[in-house]
Amino acid sequence: AQSVTQLGSHVSVSEGALVLLRCNYSSSVPPYLFWYVQYPNQGLQLLLKYTSAATLVKGINGFEAEFKKSETSFHLTKPSAHMSDAAEYFCAVSGSSRIDRRALTFGSGTRLQVQP
Amino acid sequence: DTEVTQTPKHLVMGMTNKKSLKCEQHMGHRAMYWYKQKAKKPPELMFVYSYEKLSINESVPSRFSPECPNSSLLNLHLHALQPEDSALYLCASSQDLMGAQFSGNTIYFGEGSWLTVV
Repeated sequence: AQSVTQLGSHVSVSEGALVLLRCNYSSSVPPYLFWYVQYPNQGLQLLLKYTSAATLVKGINGFEAEFKKSETSFHLTKPSAHMSDAAEYFCAVSGSSRIDRRALTFGSGTRLQVQP
Repeated sequence: DTEVTQTPKHLVMGMTNKKSLKCEQHMGHRAMYWYKQKAKKPPELMFVYSYEKLSINESVPSRFSPECPNSSLLNLHLHALQPEDSALYLCASSQDLMGAQFSGNTIYFGEGSWLTVV
């Protein structure tokens, strides 16, 4: 079964600093990987997704992620943090079977704090 | 328009009450989902409907009863809940390309319904 592990439940950066949120996946077949963001008291919003078309994926709000098969990683980055980026970030994977692919399995989440 | 609408936003119910959560999407999606999210935890899958048929039930207690009246609507009927069922309930939808090559279905989430069981 596919799964993802997010390293670091809390990450704190200064405004303007690089944001790096880590996600490693476990999958026996090429996975489909996603990053979602959840602002306080809101639902989940898709930031970006990897579907094997390109290893470097650009998303909304200046975020991007790189799929590295050799490292089984899909880390999320942003060159310069804004205060508005403070939120919970979830890495997620969907399966490749006809049933599994319709559902997402989430990592434990990383709370990003941005200091002024 | 990528919108999934959930009502109510907040619900407080007693353990003997019967209530329902409602979800609606008009994106032509044929897969709809219920997820449960406890505080400071990731969402956990409860149910998946595909073409109005229940295709995944993640061993959810029978006090939660899903219903998909048509391709745009998804309900979650609640009866005899426990205080530990208090959580954020998220509805979501996606295209369901059965028979077609999977291309990374994007799952779109609603804002959620905050449920408190007293």
